Amino acid sequence: EPEVTQTPSHQVTQMGQEVILRCVPISNHLYFYWYRQILGQKVEFLVSFYNNEISEKSEIFDDQFSVERPDGSNFTLKIRSTKLEDSAMYFCASSPLPSNTEAFFGQGTRLTVV
Amino acid sequence: GNSVTQMEGPVTLSEEAFLTINCTYTATGYPSLFWYVQYPGEGLQLLLKATKADDKGSNKGFEATYRKETTSFHLEKGSVQVSDSAVYFCALRSESSASKIIFGSGTRLSIRP
Repeated sequence: EPEVTQTPSHQVTQMGQEVILRCVPISNHLYFYWYRQILGQKVEFLVSFYNNEISEKSEIFDDQFSVERPDGSNFTLKIRSTKLEDSAMYFCASSPLPSNTEAFFGQGTRLTVV
Repeated sequence: GNSVTQMEGPVTLSEEAFLTINCTYTATGYPSLFWYVQYPGEGLQLLLKATKADDKGSNKGFEATYRKETTSFHLEKGSVQVSDSAVYFCALRSESSASKIIFGSGTRLSIRP
C-alpha cells in the first residue's frame, strides 16, 4: 500500500541552526502539507502546496519556514534558524486532490532543538 | 472561521464498554468530516470519513454520522478493546478553505483490561 515516508525519524539540532525535514509523498498525489504537533497536543496546520506553489499557510509559517519540491518525488520543510519552541513532531501529508478527500500522513519527524 | 471542537480527555473505559467521543464543528457549506487515530508513537491514520450530510462513516467497529442539523460527527463504538487505546482526532476540510484539514484538539482514550 502506498505511503508517505519521512526522514529522518528524529533530528536533534542546536538553536539557531538550519534544519531540513524531508518527505516523499504518495506518487500520484498532487497536494502536499506540513503539520506539527507539540508534545502530543493539537495537530497544527503549517502549509499546503500545490502545483509548485504555496496554496495556504498558517500564522505559524513565518519567514523562518520554507517549503520546496526540489524534484519529482521529494517535498521538504526548511527551518532557517531554529528556536527552542520549534521542538515538535512534524508530519508531512499528501492527498490526490484538495476537494473532499482525506490526507495521508507520514510517521513524522521528531525535531528536538537544544 | 472553520473550527472543530471535541470532548476533552482523557477518557478511560473498561474493555467491552460503549464509547462515544463527541465532536462538533463550525464551517460554512458542507465540509468533509474525518476521524483520525494516533496510536502511541505513531503518525495519524484515517479511521473513517463522511463527505455529505447523513452519511455514516465506519471502520474497525467505529461509526460516525454526519449530522448537519446539529453540526456534529460523534464517534461511537459498541464494544471497545484494549487495542483501541489511542488519541482520536476529529477533523474537517471545508469548501471555503479546501487546501487544508483542520483538527480538533484530540481525545486520549485508555481502555482497561
